Amino acid sequence: GDSVTQMEGPVTLSEEAFLTINCTYTATGYPSLFWYVQYPGEGLQLLLKATKADDKGSNKGFEATYRKETTSFHLEKGSVQVSDSAVYFCALNPSNTGKLIFGQGTTLQVKP
Amino acid sequence: NAGVMQNPRHLVRRRGQEARLRCSPMKGHSHVYWYRQLPEEGLKFMVYLQKENIIDESGMPKERFSAEFPKEGPSILRIQQVVRGDSAAYFCASSATSGVETQYFGPGTRLLVL
Repeated sequence: GDSVTQMEGPVTLSEEAFLTINCTYTATGYPSLFWYVQYPGEGLQLLLKATKADDKGSNKGFEATYRKETTSFHLEKGSVQVSDSAVYFCALNPSNTGKLIFGQGTTLQVKP
Repeated sequence: NAGVMQNPRHLVRRRGQEARLRCSPMKGHSHVYWYRQLPEEGLKFMVYLQKENIIDESGMPKERFSAEFPKEGPSILRIQQVVRGDSAAYFCASSATSGVETQYFGPGTRLLVL
């Protein structure tokens, strides 16, 4: 069945470091891909999305490219801030059914 | 434009009681989804509803759990005779039209069963 695999955390970085959080997926058809962020005690906020192969989603300095050939959607940011500390979830919408499938989440800790 | 609203934010129940979780979608959204997040895990899909219809309940446990989205009022996720394993965060999301649209999440209801 469809699934999402994220790199395990926690990921600990110093402020201004480069961030990569890996995400790979298994899906039939052409899913849409998403990154959501969850701050402590809060719900999920949409960070960025891509709906077709080679699309690049970007927001707040974060970006991810939909790579069909490697079935990946890795999240990157050139210079992280302490305020980016949160849990990041990669998700797919298989065949656009609305039934989002999430990865297990990656905790990011950014130290000053 | 208010986002997705959920209440209560925190709910404590004793084993055997009922839990009712409410979700008001974003204005103009007619599709609602419920997800459950167990401790240290990702979110798992439970059910997808439109007004007065259940579209997909494949992620919902067969017993004790039910969901509705009436013509008027919020969507309700109901858990009867709660057990400790039901302790989790329950998130509601909404979208404007069909399942292809981006889902926007509420703040969640954190259920603790004693």
